[in-house]
Amino acid sequence: QVHLQESGPGLVKPSQTLSLTCAVSGVSISSGDHYWSWVRQPPGKGLEWIGYIYYTGSTYYSPSLKSRVIMSLDTSKNQFSLELTSVTAADTAVYFCARAPIPSGHFDYWGQGTLITVSS
Amino acid sequence: EIVMTQSPATLSVSPGERVTLSCRASQSVNRNLAWYQQKPGQAPRVLIYDASTRATGISARFSGSGSGTEFTLTISSLQSEDFAVYYCQQHDNWPRSFGQGTKLEIK
Repeated sequence: QVHLQESGPGLVKPSQTLSLTCAVSGVSISSGDHYWSWVRQPPGKGLEWIGYIYYTGSTYYSPSLKSRVIMSLDTSKNQFSLELTSVTAADTAVYFCARAPIPSGHFDYWGQGTLITVSS
Repeated sequence: EIVMTQSPATLSVSPGERVTLSCRASQSVNRNLAWYQQKPGQAPRVLIYDASTRATGISARFSGSGSGTEFTLTISSLQSEDFAVYYCQQHDNWPRSFGQGTKLEIK
């Protein structure tokens, strides 16, 4: 049973760095068969893809967020992480981690999501 | 970046009706198109990928069609649990992109 679980601070101050972790169980992130992604959803709005990381450490970020995003992974803990720097209120959203099988690329498993609020 | 446009934004329908949702891509995505259902407070759930392949465990009343830039999701007979927001997503090019969603409301 594949399971993804996000964890994070809940509240981040403007200009600070948002840090989230996605713990994965039921599958190894080192298998090479999947991309590991982050997707966010502002309250009441649609879905925005943030980027992915592959087990080799290679990444691809959305051009709109590229200057502020860093993704990493910890294969020993079977988890991957997101850092978003210089946050503003516009970064307030539910953040989801998700798995995309290769080569298809759709998102077949999602975490439940975690709400991150940017506020002083 | 490929822009995905869904129509309509909101659809009011009655249980038992057949409904078709549309999704258009700003350039060809071949058949690399997925549909997701999202209910309040939940993560999206994949219904269809590769334009017409139903995901594991998805009811046969959901079907997808299309290729290139025009795609549709059809629900053959709406059940109460189908009232939700539906998103399309192209998985052909990077960056991945979603449509803005279509909300199915009970008439």
